[in-house]
Amino acid sequence: GENVEQHPSTLSVQEGDSAVIKCTYSDSASNYFPWYKQELGKGPQLIIDIRSNVGEKKDQRIAVTLNKTAKHFSLHITETQPEDSAVYFCAARPLSGGTSYGKLTFGQGTILTVHP
Amino acid sequence: DSGVTQTPKHLITATGQRVTLRCSPRSGDLSVYWYQQSLDQGLQFLIHYYNGEERAKGNILERFSAQQFPDLHSELNLSSLELGDSALYFCASSVNHNSPLHFGNGTRLTVT
Repeated sequence: GENVEQHPSTLSVQEGDSAVIKCTYSDSASNYFPWYKQELGKGPQLIIDIRSNVGEKKDQRIAVTLNKTAKHFSLHITETQPEDSAVYFCAARPLSGGTSYGKLTFGQGTILTVHP
Repeated sequence: DSGVTQTPKHLITATGQRVTLRCSPRSGDLSVYWYQQSLDQGLQFLIHYYNGEERAKGNILERFSAQQFPDLHSELNLSSLELGDSALYFCASSVNHNSPLHFGNGTRLTVT
């Protein structure tokens, strides 16, 4: 099955700096890669996603890049703010069918701390 | 607010007991997924239902079962509870298996 590795496990930055979180996946059939932000006491919130026919996607201060050949994708947050502090998860999902029908496999998470 | 509702928010019970966790998906979503989140295992996929039918299973224990009802709400039943079952249980929903997943705020289960 799919395996997703996420790095770093913790990331500390100063307000205004950029933050980058990287993930690698193992299943070449994966074609959907979302990123989630989880704040304390809440469920994961979808912040951006990308499909395999696209190399990069941006939404204001956040962007995701995908390298299908190398099987890795990254989350970039620019001009970080204290409210960006949370746990971030990457995930991967293969094409539908079989035992992986709709299933998202998550990375282990990155604790991002933005210092004022 | 994702639109996915989970009840109860907190549940404290003893070993050997049985509990039921409930999930109401977003309006219009036919798929419901259950995930378990623990500190050492991260977010682990348990099971996926689409329009009342089971579609995929993860490493769900035999002591756990789930179902999705005609009104599309879902229940996760956990029985013969052990201390190691203490975790956050999340429900997510999507329109179908190709759509983004939206998560509820979870049920925190504590087994004492």
